[in-house]
Formats: sequence, structure tokens, C-alpha cells
Amino acid sequence: GESVGLHLPTLSVQEGDNSIINCAYSNSASDYFIWYKQESGKGPQFIIDIRSNMDKRQGQRVTVLLNKTVKHLSLQIAATQPGDSAVYFCAENSGGSNYKLTFGKGTLLTVNP
Amino acid sequence: SQTIHQWPATLVQPVGSPLSLECTVEGTSNPNLYWYRQAAGRGLQLLFYSVGIGQISSEVPQNLSASRPQDRQFILSSKKLLLSDSGFYLCAWKQGALYEQYFGPGTRLTVT
Repeated sequence: GESVGLHLPTLSVQEGDNSIINCAYSNSASDYFIWYKQESGKGPQFIIDIRSNMDKRQGQRVTVLLNKTVKHLSLQIAATQPGDSAVYFCAENSGGSNYKLTFGKGTLLTVNP
Repeated sequence: SQTIHQWPATLVQPVGSPLSLECTVEGTSNPNLYWYRQAAGRGLQLLFYSVGIGQISSEVPQNLSASRPQDRQFILSSKKLLLSDSGFYLCAWKQGALYEQYFGPGTRLTVT
């Protein structure tokens, strides 16, 4: 079936380095993508989103890249800080649905001081 | 600004007991509401969503049910809990015309 998945389940980086978290999606009809950050014991927190008519979007220290040709999404975090340690999920709007998001399995990012 | 509340924060219940988890949203009207379950170290599984009062869509058949008695209130229930119902339950909301969902703090349920 259609799914959203992540290439790397865990990522460990040094403080100050840049982090790149990857996500593959298989539903070519999806036209909205979103990244969430989930700290231990808390609900997911919206980070940044991107629509399929864009290939790049920047926020504060974060950039999302979308490659529709290979159905790939990435989240780049600049100058990673210990507070960035969390699980990061990508999600897609389930084949263009206005109601549902399909979530990937998540990547655990650990930032070493 | 909008806020979403869930309670209780943690719950330990014996197998076979009933369940009632509550979610309320403030600062918005007619939101879409969602219940997700997250097993330890896993992704989010959509259980139910609602686009209006009394309207419930079920995504996964199981011994859980949901109700929306008021516009900004969403309740997750079970008549008899199973061990497999243990997990982290998350409520989320969104505005109907938008895609992004916003999550509550979650309820950690342990069925013993």
C-alpha cells in the first residue's frame, strides 16, 4: 500500500553540525508534506511544511527540500543544538486528502555536546 | 491563540476495565479532531477523526470508540480494555481548510 517511510531510524550528530533527516514517500498524488518534532513523552510539534508546487522552504534554522521526481523529502537542521534531540516524523496528506495525514516511522536524532 | 488539552496525562488500568480519555480544544470553532495511538518507539496510527459534532470516522476496527458530544470535545472510550491497548494516545486538531494538524500533550495508558 501507499506509505511514507524514513531511510534512517537513528542519527547522531555533534553539537554545531548540520543534520539531515530523510524521508521517502510513495503516493504521487500527495501534495502536502509536513515535518514534526516529538520530544520524549510529549506530543508532536509542527516544524515546517511544504506544498508540492515548491521544492524548498526555509524556516528558522530548518530547511525542507522536496524532490518530486524521486519522491523524497528531507529536513535540514543548521547548527544542531542539544535541544534538537528528538524523534522527527515526516507526514503526507495521504494522496491529496484534506482530512488525513500519513506519518512515517520517525528518526531519532541525538545531538552530542 | 488555540490550545488543546488532554486528560488524564497518565493512566494505569486493569484488563477488562472501561476507558474514557478526553480532549478539548480552545480558541477555535468547528475544528477537525483526531485520535492517534503511538506504540513505544513507533509511528502514529490514526484511530478516529471527526469533521463535526456527532460525525466519527473509524480508521482501524478495534475495541475502541470515539464520540464528539460538543464542537470542541473529543472522547475516546472502551468498554473493556485489552493489554494491546497500552500506548501513548494523542489528540490533534486542524482547521478544516488547512492541512497541518496540531497535537495535544498525550495520555500514557498502561493496561495491566
